[in-house]
Amino acid sequence: EIVLTQSPGTLSLSPGERATLSCRASQSVSSSYLAWYQQKPGQAPRLLIYGASSRATGIPDRFSGSGSGTDFTLTISRLEPEDFAVYYCQQYGSSPPYSFGQGTKLEIK
Amino acid sequence: QVQLVESGRGVVQPGRSLRLSCAASGFTFSSYGMHWVRQAPGTGLEWVAAISSDGSKKYFGDSVMGRFTISRDNSKHTLFLEMNSLRAEDTALYYCTRDWSAYDLSGIFDYWGQGTLVTVSS
Repeated sequence: EIVLTQSPGTLSLSPGERATLSCRASQSVSSSYLAWYQQKPGQAPRLLIYGASSRATGIPDRFSGSGSGTDFTLTISRLEPEDFAVYYCQQYGSSPPYSFGQGTKLEIK
Repeated sequence: QVQLVESGRGVVQPGRSLRLSCAASGFTFSSYGMHWVRQAPGTGLEWVAAISSDGSKKYFGDSVMGRFTISRDNSKHTLFLEMNSLRAEDTALYYCTRDWSAYDLSGIFDYWGQGTLVTVSS
C-alpha cells in the first residue's frame, strides 16, 4: 500500500498570502492518480483536485495542483478567509486500496 | 442535486454488529460506484470499502477485511455497510461517498454525505 506523507503538519499564513502544501508518496503514484480534499470543521471533505492537477467542478482557480511520481503540491495562490481548513491528499491508483495523507492544517496567522 | 444521507449510528459493544445505510438521491444511483470512508475522532481519513455500480465488485481496506461487508440495493437507491466483530478502533464517523466515474471505480470521491457516528465501547 502506498503511504502518503503531508507537510507541513500545520501552516500558519495570513489572508492574501500564497500557500504551498506538499504530499510525498512512498512509491510512484501511477498516472498521477492523486487527489486533494478540503475539510472544514464539522463538515464532510470536499473534492478540490484530481489527476494531480485537474480542478473539480466549482473549485476556484486560485487552487492548483502539480507534481508527478512521488512528489505533489497543492497551491492556493491568494488565501481567502474561507480557505483556512484541513487539506488531505489521496492516491487512488488503478484499483483499491486507496490511501490518504495525514492532513495539513492551514490556520490563520 | 446529489444527496447522500447516512443512517444507523449508534453505540455498540465490542464484538457486536451494526448496519449502516446510505440513501442516495439526485443522480442515477445504479450508474455509480460507491464507497465508505471513515474518520476516527480528531484524526484523518481512512478508506473502508468500495462497491461497483452493479454490485459485482467489492473491495475492502486491510483493517476491515473479513469483518465488514458492503452491498447495495439499486432499486431502493441505498448503500449498506454491515459491520461485524466490531472493535474499539472502529469508532469513527462513517461517510458514504460517490465515485466520480460512472460505471467504473476511479477511487475519486466527488460527493460525500454528512456522516454517521459509530462508537464501539463496553
